[in-house]
Amino acid sequence: EIVLTQSPGTLSLSLGERATLSCRASQSVSSGYLGWYQQKPGQAPRLLIYGPSKRAAGVPDRFSASGSGTDFTLTITRLEPEDFAVYYCQQYVSSPLTFGGGTKVEIK
Amino acid sequence: QVQLQESGPGLVKPSETLSLTCTVSGDSVSSGNNYWSWIRQAPGKGLEWIGYIYVSGSTTYHPSLKTRVNISRDKSKNQFSLRLTSVTAADTAMYYCARVLYHFDTTSYYQAFDFWSQGTLVTVSS
Repeated sequence: EIVLTQSPGTLSLSLGERATLSCRASQSVSSGYLGWYQQKPGQAPRLLIYGPSKRAAGVPDRFSASGSGTDFTLTITRLEPEDFAVYYCQQYVSSPLTFGGGTKVEIK
Repeated sequence: QVQLQESGPGLVKPSETLSLTCTVSGDSVSSGNNYWSWIRQAPGKGLEWIGYIYVSGSTTYHPSLKTRVNISRDKSKNQFSLRLTSVTAADTAMYYCARVLYHFDTTSYYQAFDFWSQGTLVTVSS
């Protein structure tokens, strides 16, 4: 099973700042077979990025993903009020599909 | 627009069977190229994939749950269902059903949970 470790656990930033979220895999996730999700309190997760750099429908271009091997990054270039949430990475290179523990982006 | 709505009891006794059903609209659980999945989230915790069913009816489960889980579908009602046997307090969680957008060819591959239900909280308690 591939274990995904996300860091930091919490990121405290101000509106307009750049957010950089890390996801490290316990083994190589070939070709970046990784997705990213956003979850707000009381809501289901929402797909942001998959494939490994395709944005889901309606996702603004301030969200982008990069990385290879075992180290991956989700970047939010300029934080908007609706971006404060928990973000999860998820790998699909091998079964079982696994998620990271999440990074909470909170308002500073 | 694809929509998923789960239904089932919110309270299950220890050692009994948890049963949930997901009703799908806007897509078919028996045609196309997607998977249909169950995912859970314990209170205050992260996401755990339970398993999925393909349009052909084949299933794949998380190894840690494999002996207790069954995912099936009802083509006539466009639904898929989760059964989890011998539940304990550790199975208390928000349960989501989701569509897995699946694509594989020589140039790209992805499995992404693109549509989710709102979730239903299942508590295991006597």
